[in-house]
Amino acid sequence: DAGVTQSPTHLIKTRGQQVTLRCSPKSGHDTVSWYQQALGQGPQFIFQYYEEEERQRGNFPDRFSGHQFPNYSSELNVNALLLGDSALYLCASSWEYNEQFFGPGTRLTVL
Amino acid sequence: AQSVTQLGSHVSVSEGALVLLRCNYSSSVPPYLFWYVQYPNQGLQLLLKYTSAATLVKGINGFEAEFKKSETSFHLTKPSAHMSDAAEYFCAVSLNNNDMRFGAGTRLTVKP
Repeated sequence: DAGVTQSPTHLIKTRGQQVTLRCSPKSGHDTVSWYQQALGQGPQFIFQYYEEEERQRGNFPDRFSGHQFPNYSSELNVNALLLGDSALYLCASSWEYNEQFFGPGTRLTVL
Repeated sequence: AQSVTQLGSHVSVSEGALVLLRCNYSSSVPPYLFWYVQYPNQGLQLLLKYTSAATLVKGINGFEAEFKKSETSFHLTKPSAHMSDAAEYFCAVSLNNNDMRFGAGTRLTVKP
């Protein structure tokens, strides 16, 4: 079992650009959550997807959007990038309301 | 809304000494509580979780935590630190085992 995988590992963008991050959940998991971890801080909950729908959302602007595919994989999209969007983006998968397993993250740098 | 506060952004112990990482929570209803560990350039790994069963929770790598409702605390302990325990530790709270709210983290340094 490969566990939760994320791509790419690192990404550099400039302000105003758009970015898409990808996540493949652990085998057997149907729920994907996304977190933003700024340098020196704890992860902040962005949103969660279940059955291809956004089930829950944290306090993030509409520039942050996502999608879940029929195979349960997920994408996180961020539009109009700001310097403050620079962070480690973590994906976590779970089976319904059970334990979340985290991926290694995607490091996004906005210049 | 639920939240956690981790007391001490940096804790340093000697190898073989007791590890104590502090976490206090705020929640209007009985919460789920978690401790995660993060090694450099890696994701989060679950150490243990409290889900309203036993108040003393045993986790992986010799860690344990005790849920104390009267003190709204969920401190993480390990009797004897090992060099491999050096990492960032996060306490988290959730009402439904999903939307987790994390603390700011405590960096543990283990001195030889």
